[in-house]
Amino acid sequence: QQPVQSPQAVILREGEDAVINCSSSKALYSVHWYRQKHGEAPVFLMILLKGGEQKGHEKISASFNEKKQQSSLYLTASQLSYSGTYFCGTLLRAVYSGGGADGLTFGKGTHLIIQP
Amino acid sequence: DAGVIQSPRHEVTEMGQEVTLRCKPISGHDYLFWYRQTMMRGLELLIYFNNNVPIDDSGMPEDRFSAKMPNASFSTLKIQPSEPRDSAVYFCASSRGPLAEQYFGPGTRLTVT
Repeated sequence: QQPVQSPQAVILREGEDAVINCSSSKALYSVHWYRQKHGEAPVFLMILLKGGEQKGHEKISASFNEKKQQSSLYLTASQLSYSGTYFCGTLLRAVYSGGGADGLTFGKGTHLIIQP
Repeated sequence: DAGVIQSPRHEVTEMGQEVTLRCKPISGHDYLFWYRQTMMRGLELLIYFNNNVPIDDSGMPEDRFSAKMPNASFSTLKIQPSEPRDSAVYFCASSRGPLAEQYFGPGTRLTVT
């Protein structure tokens, strides 16, 4: 069950804020966020495990609403270095809690372009 | 640490040939993942190992694909015979657990003509 990300793409000016959403039709155990720059490998941003959990690092933060089966990534006062494709990876609660396979399913990504 | 190492970085081969991709995970990581990335399908999990044992290979597209992990420091992904639709970037990643950060290698860009 591939999670759905929105928007597919967004163009911002440096200093503007952005929100990227990730939603699932199935109950989630965890949500994992990665960023990939063109021609490079994905790089880990953060993992969210609990309902309502929020995490943040400097100007990038995220929330996880397990009741709504969705997560949002917030980029505040965006910088040029934030440009790239953002992926959410999900682990289904029924699978993980039931002792099943614990590999991630990634969304198709959100392309973020920051212009000066 | 050197990070996850993949070889080759680029591979161009003709349809029908055998292709072998190699991965060396980060020392101490007990999970190893193989992903395929294309524009159309995004980042797909093909197979992953825990302590060298394959756990889930449901993402392997067909019998032409096989993966092995003979020891904790080496894994291979083999395609035999290769087809043009196998053209993609193949990533290997490793982690300390299913809920831990995954470290991705630089990827192998495979082109099958």
